[in-house]
Amino acid sequence: EDQVTQSPEALRLQEGESSSLNCSYTVSGLRGLFWYRQDPGKGPEFLFTLYSAGEEKEKERLKATLTKKESFLHITAPKPEDSATYLCAVRGGSQGNLIFGKGTKLSVKP
Amino acid sequence: NAGVTQTPKFQVLKTGQSMTLQCAQDMNHEYMSWYRQDPGMGLRLIHYSVGAGITDQGEVPNGYNVSRSTTEDFPLRLLSAAPSQTSVYFCASSYSIPGTETPYEQYFGPGTRLTVT
Repeated sequence: EDQVTQSPEALRLQEGESSSLNCSYTVSGLRGLFWYRQDPGKGPEFLFTLYSAGEEKEKERLKATLTKKESFLHITAPKPEDSATYLCAVRGGSQGNLIFGKGTKLSVKP
Repeated sequence: NAGVTQTPKFQVLKTGQSMTLQCAQDMNHEYMSWYRQDPGMGLRLIHYSVGAGITDQGEVPNGYNVSRSTTEDFPLRLLSAAPSQTSVYFCASSYSIPGTETPYEQYFGPGTRLTVT
């Protein structure tokens, strides 16, 4: 069964304290791994798509990486405005629908 | 572009009532989908559509109905609301990979918060 597990569930950082969020997955034939950011009361906002092991994508203070079993979202020198819940999803199944993890809630304190 | 829009933003229903959650997109996306999001759980797929006139069930379809008569609109109908359907509902859309029905990255609407008493 396709599955996505994110860790930690919650992460509290001081402003400027770099860290990483983990997304481990089991899927038959990965056809894309997706990262989203979700602010309270809003819909998920697309960040990155990764397709193959070794691939990396960057956007401002965020960098996403992919291996054959997991993905990391690295946050460098975070700011309070990076506080949000970060969702990971994989495309699996015959229809290629997205399977989401439960998310990591990131809080960055000034 | 307005992107993906959803109405209403909030709704309270009594058990047994029916209602329709509206979703529209102006990006000419073939693929549209409905998810529900509950505390402590990931987004779960209810129904999806790969184009006008084509719909299919996702992970949690029971108690919900959909139709897709146009590319732009994808309404979700609750036939007889139950307290277990209290949730936040998100609609999403995307292009499909050419030659397949597989979606690219999906773009989400702002959500509808539904409470069933």
